[in-house]
Amino acid sequence: QKEVEQDPGPLSVPEGAIVSLNCTYSNSAFQYFMWYRQYSRKGPELLMYTYSSGNKEDGRFTAQVDKSSKYISLFIRDSQPSDSATYLCAMINYGGSQGNLIFGKGTKLSVKP
Amino acid sequence: KAGVTQTPRYLIKTRGQQVTLSCSPISGHRSVSWYQQTPGQGLQFLFEYFSETQRNKGNFPGRFSGRQFSNSRSEMNVSTLELGDSALYLCASSLRQGGTEAFFGQGTRLTVV
Repeated sequence: QKEVEQDPGPLSVPEGAIVSLNCTYSNSAFQYFMWYRQYSRKGPELLMYTYSSGNKEDGRFTAQVDKSSKYISLFIRDSQPSDSATYLCAMINYGGSQGNLIFGKGTKLSVKP
Repeated sequence: KAGVTQTPRYLIKTRGQQVTLSCSPISGHRSVSWYQQTPGQGLQFLFEYFSETQRNKGNFPGRFSGRQFSNSRSEMNVSTLELGDSALYLCASSLRQGGTEAFFGQGTRLTVV
């Protein structure tokens, strides 16, 4: 079982829809949870990160972490064609004072006008 | 403020050759991490350098190595290239070691033929 699981999609939605992207993980030591957006032929771009359980909102984006279920989500409201990209979840385990990002494989999202 | 710069953007090499990739982090960032991205495995952590010292290493063979200079610029070297090394190599910079806010470059697309 991989440490981080993410449905690769593709996910296709009409413009204006609410999008829900999810990841599950197996390592309860993960402390920080990130969402990255990657456009084709570009590097990943950090959207937002949260520490431990709870919600965080930034404009049209909301990140949720449920550590009891080992489940994280990213919601995109009023989706736009410019949101079409691959969305990657990532997590860090700071055990031993060292940490590196563990990524899901990404979900490819297409928002149709 | 300039972002993370990776050179070259594209590279074609022959099996058995070696290659060196370069990464210039955001000014003031002292941590540089390297990742390999492939369609099958997604983003996988190679190693992290902080203050010219390797602080963390992923599960890759010794053919993959790196270094960091006093100005925080980093290079990654792959020796005895194999076809399976074809991938997008990404570097990320952050202020602190294992930083949660990691900023990625656009990557170097390596093709081994």
